Amino acid sequence: TQLLEQSPQFLSIQEGENLTVYCNSSSVFSSLQWYRQEPGEGPVLLVTVVTGGEVKKLKRLTFQFGDARKDSSLHITAAQPGDTGLYLCAGAWDMRFGAGTRLTVKP
Amino acid sequence: DTGVSQDPRHKITKRGQNVTFRCDPISEHNRLYWYRQTLGQGPEFLTYFQNEAQLEKSRLLSDRFSAERPKGSFSTLEIQRTEQGDSAMYLCASRPTGGRVEAFFGQGTRLTVV
Repeated sequence: TQLLEQSPQFLSIQEGENLTVYCNSSSVFSSLQWYRQEPGEGPVLLVTVVTGGEVKKLKRLTFQFGDARKDSSLHITAAQPGDTGLYLCAGAWDMRFGAGTRLTVKP
Repeated sequence: DTGVSQDPRHKITKRGQNVTFRCDPISEHNRLYWYRQTLGQGPEFLTYFQNEAQLEKSRLLSDRFSAERPKGSFSTLEIQRTEQGDSAMYLCASRPTGGRVEAFFGQGTRLTVV
């Protein structure tokens, strides 16, 4: 099992600020997924990254997969209260999750 | 298809009782996963089925936990002799075969052991 470490564990920011959260491992992943989970709901897939160095954009969210495919980051531009949630990364093959980053965006 | 459904949504039980949860996956999905999630943590992998075969089970899972997927459709997760430490959200997810495909989650069953 490949372990994923996410940082920071908690992040509280004001609306309009930018932020980056990280997902790191000592192992190489063939592909990683990012999910977002809101209270009382199951996680929902945001993106799958496959190629080392890959950058994917989803509106104000930018996902990057490290060149060595051991790490990934999620950058949110101009955060909004609707971005509040638990952001999780997971190995796309083994479906093991990190502990997540709990983001709160205050209006 | 309305997605992955889990039943019940909430369960309160006394310590020592047995509980069973049900998961109905998306019909064409042959892979089904169970997770346990406690407050502030990510989903912790419990077990995984491909069709009716249970292919992997977490070593962290005690013998009190058992899961089945008898006809490769719905699945059940049973916890015997529940303990207070079993209190958590139990999530089910399903997805088609393939390593990069999206997993769809149910809303979970919240178990409280009193």
